[in-house]
Parts: sequence; C-alpha cells; structure tokens
Amino acid sequence: AQSVAQPEDQVNVAEGNPLTVKCTYSVSGNPYLFWYVQYPNRGLQFLLKYITGDNLVKGSYGFEAEFNKSQTSFHLKKPSALVSDSALYFCAVRDMTGTYKYIFGTGTRLKVLA
Amino acid sequence: NAGVTQTPKFRVLKTGQSMTLLCAQDMNHEYMYWYRQDPGMGLRLIHYSVGEGTTAKGEVPDGYNVSRLKKQNFLLGLESAAPSQTSVYFCASRTGESTNEKLFFGSGTQLSVL
Repeated sequence: AQSVAQPEDQVNVAEGNPLTVKCTYSVSGNPYLFWYVQYPNRGLQFLLKYITGDNLVKGSYGFEAEFNKSQTSFHLKKPSALVSDSALYFCAVRDMTGTYKYIFGTGTRLKVLA
Repeated sequence: NAGVTQTPKFRVLKTGQSMTLLCAQDMNHEYMYWYRQDPGMGLRLIHYSVGEGTTAKGEVPDGYNVSRLKKQNFLLGLESAAPSQTSVYFCASRTGESTNEKLFFGSGTQLSVL
C-alpha cells in the first residue's frame, strides 16, 4: 500500500535558524511527491513538488525539498526560518496505480520562535 | 479568480440529519476531491472524481455520497449524520495536465454533529 509518514508532530526552531520537516514514503514505482502548507483556518496551499529530475526542488517562500530515493525520503528545508513560517505542513504522494488519488501524511506543526 | 469555493463554511447538525456540502471551482479542472481533516490523522480521502459524471471511493467513503453532474461542481452528501462525522471537510481540484500537477484547496467546512 502507498503511504506517507511524517514522524514529528511538531518541530520548534528559532528564527534565523535552518529548519527541516521530515517525510518518508512508500510507493510502487517512481513517486510524485508534494509539500503543502496550511495556515490557521485556511485550506492547504501548494509549496513544491518532485516528479523527476534534480533531487533538490525549490518552491514557494524560500522552501526547498530534497528527494532521496535510497532513503525513500522527501524532507522539507529552509535555510533561515521566519516567524511567519509557523504553520502546519503536509507531505503527500500521488498514488501511482492509475487512480489519481493523493495520500497525505498526518502533518507536522512548525513553530518558529522569535 | 475565486478558485475553489466551499459552502457552507460552518454547520451544526443533529445526529440523523442530512446535508450537502457544495464545492465549486472556476478553473475548468478535471479532477476533484473531498477530504476530511481530523487531529492527528491528517487528511483522509473520502471520494474523488476524475471527470464530469464519474466518482470513485477514497479511503473513508462510508456514510458519504457524492455527485459530479457538472464539471465545476462536486457535491458531498451526508444522508444520516453521525457524531463520528464531526470534522473539517476540504475540497480540492486539479488540472488534468501532468505538467502542472498540484491541488488547489477550498477554505474548508467545519461540521459538528451533536
């Protein structure tokens, strides 16, 4: 079965420090991987995706993610965190069995402390 | 552009009552999805549609029905609401083109079943 795991419920980081939000996946075939962000009382917004090509993907708001096939991971990173980055982050994978379903992780709450 | 619009934004139901949640998108997207978001469980797929007139079951379809009579609208129905259906419901859509693959989300419907 295809699945996504986000092992940390919450990540705390000081403003200006680098941040990492972890994601691992289990899929058949080559994965399509995504990161979304949810601010309070809002819907999810697309941050970035990996489909093929360069393992380091750049996205919105200075975020980037590194695809690692051997470790089946797709960690979200940012070199210097902002207080405004505080939000709920979701990793997702597209079901590659032809159904066009998207499977989401349980989410990681990022708190950036001033 | 309005994007993805969900109505209503809030609703309180009594056990056994029925209701319909409406999702409308103005981006001419082929695919539409209904998710529910519960604390600690992330987003779980209820039903989805890959085109007008077609629907399919997701991970947690029991107690829900859907219809996609028009391309722009995707309706989620609860025939006999139960307290376990208390949740935040999100609709999402995407284009059929794989080159621009990402989900656009509505702002959510907060449903309480008493």
